[in-house]
Amino acid sequence: KQEVTQIPAALSVPEGENLVLNCSFTDSAIYNLQWFRQDPGKGLTSLLLIQSSQREQTSGRLNASLDKSSGRSTLYIAASQPGDSATYLCAVGKGNTPLVFGKGTRLSVIA
Amino acid sequence: DVKVTQSSRYLVKRTGEKVFLECVQDMDHENMFWYRQDPGLGLRLIYFSYDVKMKEKGDIPEGYSVSREKKERFSLILESASTNQTSMYLCASSTIRGHLAKNIQYFGAGTRLSVL
Repeated sequence: KQEVTQIPAALSVPEGENLVLNCSFTDSAIYNLQWFRQDPGKGLTSLLLIQSSQREQTSGRLNASLDKSSGRSTLYIAASQPGDSATYLCAVGKGNTPLVFGKGTRLSVIA
Repeated sequence: DVKVTQSSRYLVKRTGEKVFLECVQDMDHENMFWYRQDPGLGLRLIYFSYDVKMKEKGDIPEGYSVSREKKERFSLILESASTNQTSMYLCASSTIRGHLAKNIQYFGAGTRLSVL
């Protein structure tokens, strides 16, 4: 059974710092990996999707990488801002089956 | 833009009541999902549906049922609400039309249910 782990569970950084969030998964036979953002009390917003054939995806200050063989993904946030404060979740997908989610990393960016 | 709408942001119900949580999506997605989210436990899948009148159990279906009579609407039903069903409920939809690998899930804003 696929398991997704995110470390650390919480992270606090000063504004302007570059940071990396980690996601690992146990079964490398995936079709894609998604990173989501969740603000307190709200739903999830998809940030980036990486297909299994890709190594990375970029959107603005966000860069997500995927190393399928080692079962790892990272989300890199450049020049962090207080508005980046949220919980970030990763999820892996295989075909048309439900995504398997990690428990998330709660990020606080301090002004 | 894809829109997934959950009928209520906040609900307060009493133990034993029958509760309906409604979810509507406007992008003709064939897949719809219901999750609950609790601190320390993350997102847990309750039920999902790949098409009208189809339903599949997720990881924690006990105490819940679902209905999908129309493609755009997926309802979660708590037959007899209990205090341990107090939680944040999230609905999502997705499609694999066009590309199997691009199975992006779109989420609603969530319903925070309190059962007293």
